[in-house]
Amino acid sequence: KQEVTQIPAALSVPEGENLVLNCSFTDSAIYNLQWFRQDPGKGLTSLLLIQSSQREQTSGRLNASLDKSSGRSTLYIAASQPGDSATYLCAVGLSPKFYFGSGTKLNVKP
Amino acid sequence: NAGVTQTPKFRILKIGQSMTLQCTQDMNHNYMYWYRQDPGMGLKLIYYSVGAGITDKGEVPNGYNVSRSTTEDFPLRLELAAPSQTSVYFCASSYSPGSPDTQYFGPGTRLTVL
Repeated sequence: KQEVTQIPAALSVPEGENLVLNCSFTDSAIYNLQWFRQDPGKGLTSLLLIQSSQREQTSGRLNASLDKSSGRSTLYIAASQPGDSATYLCAVGLSPKFYFGSGTKLNVKP
Repeated sequence: NAGVTQTPKFRILKIGQSMTLQCTQDMNHNYMYWYRQDPGMGLKLIYYSVGAGITDKGEVPNGYNVSRSTTEDFPLRLELAAPSQTSVYFCASSYSPGSPDTQYFGPGTRLTVL
């Protein structure tokens, strides 16, 4: 069974800081890995999707990397802003299912 | 193009009651999913469907049933509601050209069982 772990569970940083969120998974035979953002009381918004054949994806200030052999992915957020405060979840695609981590709650202080 | 819609947004049930959570997507996606999210936790897969007429269990299917008679709709049925089913329920869909692609989520249904 696929186990997905996200560390840290919570993170508080001052505005402007660069930060890294971590996601690890136990079964490396994945199809893809997706990072989501969840605001309080809201649904999930997709940020980045990395296919198993890719090493990284970038969107604006976000960069996600994937290392299948070590079972790890990182989400790098550059120049963090208070508007980035949310919970970030990773989901590992092991067709046809997805397995979610429990998320990292990020607080960016003005 | 509304994406994934869910109804109702909120619901309070008494123990033993039944209800159906509705989910509709207008993106012609063949894969659809139901998840539950308990406070401070990630999402757990309840049921999923890879196409009309095809459904299968996820990690936590007990106490729930699903059907998929059309590509667009994937309702989740709760029979004999229990307090342990208090949670936020999310429906998602995904296009699958060989493997599931980006998931799109509905806004969720917040269910309380008293």
